[in-house]
Amino acid sequence: EAQVTQNPRYLITVTGKKLTVTCSQNMNHEYMSWYRQDPGLGLRQIYYSMNVEVTDKGDVPEGYKVSRKEKRNFPLILESPSPNQTSLYFCASRATGGNTGELFFGEGSRLTVL
Amino acid sequence: AQSVSQHNHHVILSEAASLELGCNYSYGGTVNLFWYVQYPGQHLQLLLKYFSGDPLVKGIKGFEAEFIKSKFSFNLRKPSVQWSDTAEYFCAVNANTGRRALTFGSGTRLQVQP
Repeated sequence: EAQVTQNPRYLITVTGKKLTVTCSQNMNHEYMSWYRQDPGLGLRQIYYSMNVEVTDKGDVPEGYKVSRKEKRNFPLILESPSPNQTSLYFCASRATGGNTGELFFGEGSRLTVL
Repeated sequence: AQSVSQHNHHVILSEAASLELGCNYSYGGTVNLFWYVQYPGQHLQLLLKYFSGDPLVKGIKGFEAEFIKSKFSFNLRKPSVQWSDTAEYFCAVNANTGRRALTFGSGTRLQVQP
């Protein structure tokens, strides 16, 4: 089954404690992206990756890091989480060839930073 | 930069009522347009998309949307809503640039009362 898998789905942590949210897709997609969803703001892009070893900032990259060492994985790293990073995070992927454009989303990871 | 506006933040309808959700975008060039739906507690799923051709596109579950280029709009419609349509709806735009980023609107929460 084609899917995007995120872990953990729920996490409560404290300010300053480094954490990583993993994302893996099994569709051989080149493009992967992280979004955060906040009430009234919709989804905002944090980082994206066009392919292995190619990453770039989205609209709200501050406080986040990413890496793309393998095609299927795109972890989101919060080196020193702060309460304003409390949010619902979605990983998504898409094939870059052709004219599909459709993003496939993971189930979401709800993060609370105390 | 591209942006998306969804003017209806919260819509409450009775079952069998007709639905129209507004979406306007700002970008002067060629765009790809999408509507995504997020059912309570779930991830985003694609409802429909427009790339080119017939400006009236039909999606899943009886939804359709019309692209009006002169108005920079891509409104979502459904003739008769059901209780199961209760969800949050997001309009998104891809300006088809090298960044290939989807820009989302802030979302419209639809509540259908039985």
